[in-house]
Amino acid sequence: AQKITQTQPGMFVQEKEAVTLDCTYDTSDQSYGLFWYKQPSSGEMIFLIYQGSYDEQNATEGRYSLNFQKARKSANLVISASQLGDSAMYFCAMREATGFHKLVFGTGTRLLVSP
Amino acid sequence: KAGVTQTPRYLIKTRGQQVTLSCSPISGHRSVSWYQQTPGQGLQFLFEYFSETQRNKGNFPGRFSGRQFSNSRSEMNVSTLELGDSALYLCASSQGGDSNQPQHFGDGTRLSIL
Repeated sequence: AQKITQTQPGMFVQEKEAVTLDCTYDTSDQSYGLFWYKQPSSGEMIFLIYQGSYDEQNATEGRYSLNFQKARKSANLVISASQLGDSAMYFCAMREATGFHKLVFGTGTRLLVSP
Repeated sequence: KAGVTQTPRYLIKTRGQQVTLSCSPISGHRSVSWYQQTPGQGLQFLFEYFSETQRNKGNFPGRFSGRQFSNSRSEMNVSTLELGDSALYLCASSQGGDSNQPQHFGDGTRLSIL
């Protein structure tokens, strides 16, 4: 069964510093997608970045990059040059290719960015 | 391009009532999924629809049901509401539901049961 583990309930970072949010996953599928979402206190889920299991290069989207280590089954999110607006919950999620058509989410990491 | 639209944003009901939530996906998206988010259980998958057909269902009682219309809009219905149904209900759409396609979420409907 697919499973996502986020071991950091909360992270604290100063503005302009980089921060890494951890995510490990478990799946028996060879083909899957890994996603990171941001959820501000208002509730909406904002898609940040995607990494496919067959992608050889780490995904990047602006200040977000995904450190993908397939052998370790980890997909850590790196946020460079943190901004106050980055304060939010961050969820790692996985979607298998075996036709289940659903995202499985981790428990999330609350990031607080201080001035 | 308009995002995923969920209505209403907030809803207050009492136990035993039923409720219908609505979701309009991004134009061109044919897959619509529903999730329940609670502090205790986190984000849990409810069901997914594609071209008016339910393709997958999560582990929820039969009181939770849904449907999708020919224009891809989807509704979710919860009957005989219980206190534990208080949650943020999120709808997400994607083009086809493949594993490499991100799901884009709406702002959610916050349901409170009194």
